[in-house]
Amino acid sequence: AQRVTQPEKLLSVFKGAPVELKCNYSYSGSPELFWYVQYSRQRLQLLLRHISRESIKGFTADLNKGETSFHLKKPFAQEEDSAMYYCALYGGDQAGTALIFGKGTTLSVSS
Amino acid sequence: DTAVSQTPKYLVTQMGNDKSIKCEQNLGHDTMYWYKQDSKKFLKIMFSYNNKELIINETVPNRFSPKSPDKAHLNLHINSLELGDSAVYFCASSPGVGQPQHFGDGTRLSIL
Repeated sequence: AQRVTQPEKLLSVFKGAPVELKCNYSYSGSPELFWYVQYSRQRLQLLLRHISRESIKGFTADLNKGETSFHLKKPFAQEEDSAMYYCALYGGDQAGTALIFGKGTTLSVSS
Repeated sequence: DTAVSQTPKYLVTQMGNDKSIKCEQNLGHDTMYWYKQDSKKFLKIMFSYNNKELIINETVPNRFSPKSPDKAHLNLHINSLELGDSAVYFCASSPGVGQPQHFGDGTRLSIL
């Protein structure tokens, strides 16, 4: 069954520290993976998708098919990075297929 | 502005009432969705429509009925509201499977 696992509910770091938000997935086909960010009481915003291989706001994520992981990383955390981060996977390849979300990780960056 | 917009942003009502949430997207996307975010911030799909056709109907009570009058609109009507319906409901759209989804601001539903 398709599944996205984010093992950490909360990750607290100090400003300037490296950050790694973990995401593991279970999917039989070729996965389409995304990271979304939700700042306090706001909409979900796309942060990254695995095929773009770009860096947004200093974040990167690499798909590791061997480990079925798509961890989100940033070398130096900033206070404005504090938010809820969701890893998500498309559950199929048919029109109308929805995203399957992990349970989310709250990142708290303090000075 | 191009966006996914949903109204109302806040909805406070009593148990047993019937309410609707509206969603519109002007991005020209073919697919629209309703997700529910519960009190633990867990997001789960409720419905998806592709070109006005219902594709996904997850195990959601019959009291929830989506309606898509055209591919730019997907409304959600809820009958006989219950305490457990309190949540944030997000509308989203995408141009196609595998493409990023764009989300609305959410509707925070509180049942008294």
